[in-house]
Amino acid sequence: EADIYQTPRYLVIGTGKKITLECSQTMGHDKMYWYQQDPGMELHLIHYSYGVNSTEKGDLSSESTVSRIRTEHFPLTLESARPSHTSQYLCASSEFWRQEAEAFFGQGTRLTVV
Amino acid sequence: EDKVVQSPLSLVVHEGDTVTLNCSYEVTNFRSLLWYKQEKKAPTFLFMLTSSGIEKKSGRLSSILDKKELFSILNITATQTGDSAVYLCAVDHSGAGSYQLTFGKGTKLSVIP
Repeated sequence: EADIYQTPRYLVIGTGKKITLECSQTMGHDKMYWYQQDPGMELHLIHYSYGVNSTEKGDLSSESTVSRIRTEHFPLTLESARPSHTSQYLCASSEFWRQEAEAFFGQGTRLTVV
Repeated sequence: EDKVVQSPLSLVVHEGDTVTLNCSYEVTNFRSLLWYKQEKKAPTFLFMLTSSGIEKKSGRLSSILDKKELFSILNITATQTGDSAVYLCAVDHSGAGSYQLTFGKGTKLSVIP
């Protein structure tokens, strides 16, 4: 059973607020990812990390930032939320040493910016 | 441009029917193809395919990859209402120093009693 957790599950917040979406995994995985998914649309990679102190931008340009200070923790931050940030955010992790390892996903955070 | 195309986008069947979901891809540096089932929130992993022509099976689900024709199919036999979900296909085409996983839009499967 995969152990990757996201909090909060749902968040409704006003425009201009700073928010941090939390993601933690207990599997010791080096690779972690953030995906953004609008309803009925495909997942888009916005950030990923190969390990501690490693962060890279993904395919989809995002105004969010990430940090990787600890292996198990990969938070995503929006400094000033806007309605265009309304979406579902999914965190995932996988083993780095297996080149073709499958990713395990968290339950997601549904963000609504009003 | 790398792309993953799934078809159909939506499918409604009756319990007991067999369904075939399709995924075609055009990417550089193909590494593997993955199938996920997404219910409500998080995708859950189903299969990873790296070799052509080798079928992966798990209960009523099976999948096969054709690297020559650049597609994969996911079969579900004797469908149940619990199979209702969005099925996502993703292709890992990571290169040296960069991670690339492209998802299709998914096939929404609805199984009615």
